[in-house]
Amino acid sequence: GDSVTQMEGPVTLSEEAFLTINCTYTATGYPSLFWYVQYPGEGLQLLLKATKADDKGSNKGFEATYRKETTSFHLEKGSVQVSDSAVYFCALSEDNTGNQFYFGTGTSLTVIP
Amino acid sequence: NAGVTQTPKFRVLKTGQSMTLQCAQDMNHEYMSWYRQDPGMGLRLIHYSVGAGITDQGEVPNGYNVSRSTTEDFPLRLLSAAPSQTSVYFCASSPTVSNQPQHFGDGTRLSIL
Repeated sequence: GDSVTQMEGPVTLSEEAFLTINCTYTATGYPSLFWYVQYPGEGLQLLLKATKADDKGSNKGFEATYRKETTSFHLEKGSVQVSDSAVYFCALSEDNTGNQFYFGTGTSLTVIP
Repeated sequence: NAGVTQTPKFRVLKTGQSMTLQCAQDMNHEYMSWYRQDPGMGLRLIHYSVGAGITDQGEVPNGYNVSRSTTEDFPLRLLSAAPSQTSVYFCASSPTVSNQPQHFGDGTRLSIL
């Protein structure tokens, strides 16, 4: 069945450091891929998405490229800020008759000044 | 734009009590789901619905009931609360158009004593 495997955390970085959070997936068809962000005490918010192979999703300086050949969707940011401290979830969606969404376990990021 | 609205935001129950967590969305989304989020466990799917009158079990359905009498509402019922159900509960919705992202509510923080 479908699944998402996400880099274990927590991750601690200094401000302006480069961020990579790894995400790989298993899917039966051709899913869409998403990154969600959860700030403390809040619900999940969509950060970016990609709907087909080689698409690059981007938002707020974050990027992720849909790599079908490696079944990956790694999240990157060139220079993190303290305000990026949050939990990040990788997810996939397929147009199934049953459950359509699968989430990774989340990666906690703390950025220190 | 209200989006997905969850009530209450916080609740404390005693073991054995029952309660209903409310979820409503105003986006005419067909797909709705309930997750629980526990430390170190990511999001776990409790129940989901692909449309009014249709519900199905997710990964951790025991101890919870759902119904979907309208497109807008998807309440989650705890029949006899147990301390193991202490968690943060999130409701989410999405269109049935394939591969669209889910929209999340702000969550209900539930403590069972």
